[in-house]
Amino acid sequence: KNEVEQSPQNLTAQEGEFITINCSYSVGISALHWLQQHPGGGIVSLFMLSSGKKKHGRLIATINIQEKHSSLHITASHPRDSAVYICAVSYYSGGGADGLTFGKGTHLIIQP
Amino acid sequence: ETGVTQTPRHLVMGMTNKKSLKCEQHLGHNAMYWYKQSAKKPLELMFVYNFKEQTENNSVPSRFSPECPNSSHLFLHLHTLQPEDSALYLCASSQPRSPETQYFGPGTRLLVL
Repeated sequence: KNEVEQSPQNLTAQEGEFITINCSYSVGISALHWLQQHPGGGIVSLFMLSSGKKKHGRLIATINIQEKHSSLHITASHPRDSAVYICAVSYYSGGGADGLTFGKGTHLIIQP
Repeated sequence: ETGVTQTPRHLVMGMTNKKSLKCEQHLGHNAMYWYKQSAKKPLELMFVYNFKEQTENNSVPSRFSPECPNSSHLFLHLHTLQPEDSALYLCASSQPRSPETQYFGPGTRLLVL
């Protein structure tokens, strides 16, 4: 079974700071997913990565397949970035649709 | 409004009750998922359906019974639940390929008394 480890579990930073959240996993995957969960529960998919790097606005996600490690970066952080960020992995299940295995999440608070 | 809707949004039930959670997706997807988020625990996969067929059951107790009548609708039937089943239940959908981005509903927050 794949283990997904995230760090840090909690992070408080000042507005404008560069944020890094890390994720490591234990076995081969089909993709790594970064998700954002706001209070109230709604989850939004930010990135799905199989290799390399992706960027969307102020968010950057990278993955190193050999080291089984991914990072999510937020540049010029803003209070509206405050949320729980969750790393998840999918693995080939053979059924054509892969369920996700999740990390515990990183609770990020950006103070003005 | 999100492409994945869930009803009800909140539910309180007794241990002897029977209730159902409903999920509907308007994205044209053929894969649907149930996930459970308990307090202070990571999200965990419950069931996967692909083209209405169950392809994964993550060792879920039989008091949770999923149903997928078509690719747009997914139900989770609940009976004789325990207080420890109180959690946020999330539905998601995706294209039936591996890997694919999943789109989540807002969740049903369930309290079992």
